Amino acid sequence: DAGVIQSPRHEVTEMGQEVTLRCKPISGHNSLFWYRQTMMRGLELLIYFNNNVPIDDSGMPEDRFSAKMPNASFSTLKIQPSEPRDSAVYFCASSLQRPTEAFFGQGTRLTVV
Amino acid sequence: QQPVQSPQAVILREGEDAVINCSSSKALYSVHWYRQKHGEAPVFLMILLKGGEQKGHEKISASFNEKKQQSSLYLTASQLSYSGTYFCGTQTGANNLFFGTGTRLTVIP
Repeated sequence: DAGVIQSPRHEVTEMGQEVTLRCKPISGHNSLFWYRQTMMRGLELLIYFNNNVPIDDSGMPEDRFSAKMPNASFSTLKIQPSEPRDSAVYFCASSLQRPTEAFFGQGTRLTVV
Repeated sequence: QQPVQSPQAVILREGEDAVINCSSSKALYSVHWYRQKHGEAPVFLMILLKGGEQKGHEKISASFNEKKQQSSLYLTASQLSYSGTYFCGTQTGANNLFFGTGTRLTVIP
């Protein structure tokens, strides 16, 4: 398997624009996580899905953030409108449902200017 | 629900030992440990389940005290390759996974 695949790897956008980050989890994994990494806050859990259903989105910072998982092989994280403070590295990770290793994608480095 | 790690940073000389601590204010289902190299994704090291078991990975081991909701990562005879940021991940339910701010470990010759 190719592992967790995220796109794009880098995104530079202007404040106010819509940004969509994409993630393809490992086939067969039924848990998917979105994280935001910054120096100050470390790895923040934004939202996680189980069997394509959002379980807990309390980590989503504002209503500007939304996430979907329309099927088992694809998820998106959208920021609309984007702000400079959203600049960070966003990671997607997937795992099997039982407590086991989570596999991370290579991340998307987002810069909002 | 983020776990708290300590120390925030540590510098070691090759061959020295280190301990990284992780604590949670909530009852834990499991504890994970990951290492992240600069510019890369976090990579899994080990997972500890309820029961206080200790696990090992090369010269890196960990313990889990479920009564205190604490875990410790032990790095012995550190190598240059151990440098990176270490994260503990905690599960308070079967499907979540929270990480803290990490511990930056630097091993120097």
